[in-house]
Amino acid sequence: GDSVTQMEGPVTLSEEAFLTINCTYTATGYPSLFWYVQYPGEGLQLLLKATKADDKGSNKGFEATYRKETTSFHLEKGSVQVSDSAVYFCVSYSGAGSYQLTFGKGTKLSVIP
Amino acid sequence: NAGVTQTPKFQVLKTGQSMTLQCAQDMNHEYMSWYRQDPGMGLRLIHYSVGAGITDQGEVPNGYNVSRSTTEDFPLRLLSAAPSQTSVYFCASSYLGLLGTDTQYFGPGTRLTVL
Repeated sequence: GDSVTQMEGPVTLSEEAFLTINCTYTATGYPSLFWYVQYPGEGLQLLLKATKADDKGSNKGFEATYRKETTSFHLEKGSVQVSDSAVYFCVSYSGAGSYQLTFGKGTKLSVIP
Repeated sequence: NAGVTQTPKFQVLKTGQSMTLQCAQDMNHEYMSWYRQDPGMGLRLIHYSVGAGITDQGEVPNGYNVSRSTTEDFPLRLLSAAPSQTSVYFCASSYLGLLGTDTQYFGPGTRLTVL
């Protein structure tokens, strides 16, 4: 079955630092890929997505590019803010009747002033 | 729209007790699902439904039952709670046809402790 491996946390950065959270996947075919974010005490919400190879998803200054050659979907942001402190999940969906999304284990990001 | 609602927000049970976690959505979504979130484990799928009357097992279904009698509601039942079921539970929903291309809508979660 599908699997998603993402960078172990926690990650602590200073405000305005550059962020990268690595994510790689294994799947049959070419899955859709997502990054979800979970702020403290809340449910998950979609941050960005890419549904085919070479697509770039972007939102709120975050970006991720779907690389089929390296089976990766790394999350980046050029300048993090304290308000970006959250847990980030890389997620894949292969379809083909499985109806199941596959979540990475999550990476906790703390941004300090 | 209220989106996805979950009740209760917090619950403490004793081992062996039963309870139902409620989940409702008002977006007419065909697809609904239940996940549990444990430290270091990410989200793991318990059960899901692709429409009223249709349910299936996810990755970790043991100890949990579900039913889907209406499009709006998808309750999760713990028949005999065990300490291993201490977790945060999330319900999510989406349009079935957009499952691979659009967002899942998550509820705020239920924090369950089993003593």
